[in-house]
Amino acid sequence: QKEVEQDPGPLSVPEGAIVSLNCTYSNSAFQYFMWYRQYSRKGPELLMYTYSSGNKEDGRFTAQVDKSSKYISLFIRDSQPSDSATYLCARPSGNTPLVFGKGTRLSVIA
Amino acid sequence: EAQVTQNPRYLITVTGKKLTVTCSQNMNHEYMSWYRQDPGLGLRQIYYSMNVEVTDKGDVPEGYKVSRKEKRNFPLILESPSPNQTSLYFCASSFPRTGELFFGEGSRLTVL
Repeated sequence: QKEVEQDPGPLSVPEGAIVSLNCTYSNSAFQYFMWYRQYSRKGPELLMYTYSSGNKEDGRFTAQVDKSSKYISLFIRDSQPSDSATYLCARPSGNTPLVFGKGTRLSVIA
Repeated sequence: EAQVTQNPRYLITVTGKKLTVTCSQNMNHEYMSWYRQDPGLGLRQIYYSMNVEVTDKGDVPEGYKVSRKEKRNFPLILESPSPNQTSLYFCASSFPRTGELFFGEGSRLTVL
């Protein structure tokens, strides 16, 4: 199965809220995953890598993999209006670098 | 500045009129790819290229052609566009097996 499954949202939260974005995957052989962020009218850009062995933190962002339930999560603390974007999870796939989820659109309201 | 450049950024055309969307990268990446992005369907890969003169079909190649004559360029050709090819198109490039794709800013195509 190629896909990573992702709830498309949209998700709307007030400024300062903790945001949780999630994806599920099917193949436990995957060793790492990525989160991409896409602002409106822009191409996606890499936000974070996370390896299947645990968490990774970068400022207000934490990426987490739960291998037992095959969940990939991205947490955003103290969310800001500038975090409003579409967030895409991705996994590696053979000759093509990545297979993407469909993306979750997030709006952070001031 | 490291970048992937696509042109045109916006295009309105009519059914059957051949068009080419150009893509150029200045990062010496071996890998290049085209995606289309549609509401509810996410990013879907059209074609990709592992290196010069090596191209392969992605998930939705019908109605598209590509060529990779030079490392930096990977044009997307629509020989006879149809309305179902109205979409937002992205070109991307990377070094092999790094997981970090660099995307262009997108080309919004409307076929009437």
